[in-house]
Amino acid sequence: DSGVTQTPKHLITATGQRVTLRCSPRSGDLSVYWYQQSLDQGLQFLIQYYNGEERAKGNILERFSAQQFPDLHSELNLSSLELGDSALYFCASSYGTSGGYNEQFFGPGTRLTVL
Amino acid sequence: SQQGEEDPQALSIQEGENATMNCSYKTSINNLQWYRQNSGRGLVHLILIRSNEREKHSGRLRVTLDTSKKSSSLLITASRAADTASYFCATTSGTYKYIFGTGTRLKVLA
Repeated sequence: DSGVTQTPKHLITATGQRVTLRCSPRSGDLSVYWYQQSLDQGLQFLIQYYNGEERAKGNILERFSAQQFPDLHSELNLSSLELGDSALYFCASSYGTSGGYNEQFFGPGTRLTVL
Repeated sequence: SQQGEEDPQALSIQEGENATMNCSYKTSINNLQWYRQNSGRGLVHLILIRSNEREKHSGRLRVTLDTSKKSSSLLITASRAADTASYFCATTSGTYKYIFGTGTRLKVLA
């Protein structure tokens, strides 16, 4: 158990809908990262927050947004869902933020299926 | 585009044998990390090697880094069935972005 929790575990929804994925980092970790893993694209970095502020952005679509709250939990919002958004979404956390010197701890993931 | 590319894409070996997988990347890096992922589960950090290090060991794992060739290798010695998983390298290069490779799927046959 990494100490990172993600809810829900599975999500099935229809095209055009909006969903929210939630992540609670390990106790004491200030950084939260979001990743998308699909069969054809591998593990794609989406976005990172550090202590409530956006720190880095990857290949995140404009239809997707995220935020980190004062209690350090984070939410990833996916809207106008398309079939291609079906994937595993992982959250990871680390204590620090600088340049990848920190080990990331991954949550169990949320499996999103868009029908 | 992917920063890291693992090679081979898939590897099947017998229990007790050694498994070697390679990672190549494109730009200069701060450090390189290796992660393991069991099917459908979250990734687990294995080892981190800094850009000024050439080799690092952790238990049955040995990682090398050749910054002149922009490549790293992960060696798992005396493999076990429980080592069956996908292995990813991840790099950062002066930004806060972690770039993961495409992964090597390792299958260890009992």
